[in-house]
Amino acid sequence: DTAVSQTPKYLVTQMGNDKSIKCEQNLGHDTMYWYKQDSKKFLKIMFSYNNKELIINETVPNRFSPKSPDKAHLNLHINSLELGDSAVYFCASSQEIQAGINEQYFGPGTRLTVT
Amino acid sequence: SQQGEEDPQALSIQEGENATMNCSYKTSINNLQWYRQNSGRGLVHLILIRSNEREKHSGRLRVTLDTSKKSSSLLITASRAADTASYFCATDDQTGANNLFFGTGTRLTVIP
Repeated sequence: DTAVSQTPKYLVTQMGNDKSIKCEQNLGHDTMYWYKQDSKKFLKIMFSYNNKELIINETVPNRFSPKSPDKAHLNLHINSLELGDSAVYFCASSQEIQAGINEQYFGPGTRLTVT
Repeated sequence: SQQGEEDPQALSIQEGENATMNCSYKTSINNLQWYRQNSGRGLVHLILIRSNEREKHSGRLRVTLDTSKKSSSLLITASRAADTASYFCATDDQTGANNLFFGTGTRLTVIP
């Protein structure tokens, strides 16, 4: 009965490859997110998405693209992987914001290593 | 940048002692949240405090918020070895986009 799940948990790949990370939430939430956590544990928002709007952090390279087949899924596709993309990627979800309540539920993370 | 900062970066205490972590942020907020991250795991929401609140309790957790100083503190009382984790504060961006901006985290180690 995992609330937010991600696959795979670990991903090792070579520079230049294209890869996807999948995320699913069974909480019925309206909004999903992707975060990147670097080696110093610095956690940064990449995207937030609901059925109305995709908000992209302007610092995210356009090699990264979120794809949402339905409300319960937000997958992250990465083209032409670079060494600097190595990090842990977290998916999260929340109810659509109401009255300033925006508690987010996180997945377990996907550790991406680019060699 | 709206990113917050936690202080200290690392804290080591004996079981049973209290642990206090501080967070500072830069812009106006609707609310501030604290999250916990065990090693190799995702973040878990602990507590949310709204901008019009000054203090909030949840079990052994006590959070304060001072919007004039743009700072918050998280106090864990009677710490346990299982409290060992990294703790992050997170603020919203007031745009309604529901994005959270996380601080740099405090690594807490509770020694049994």
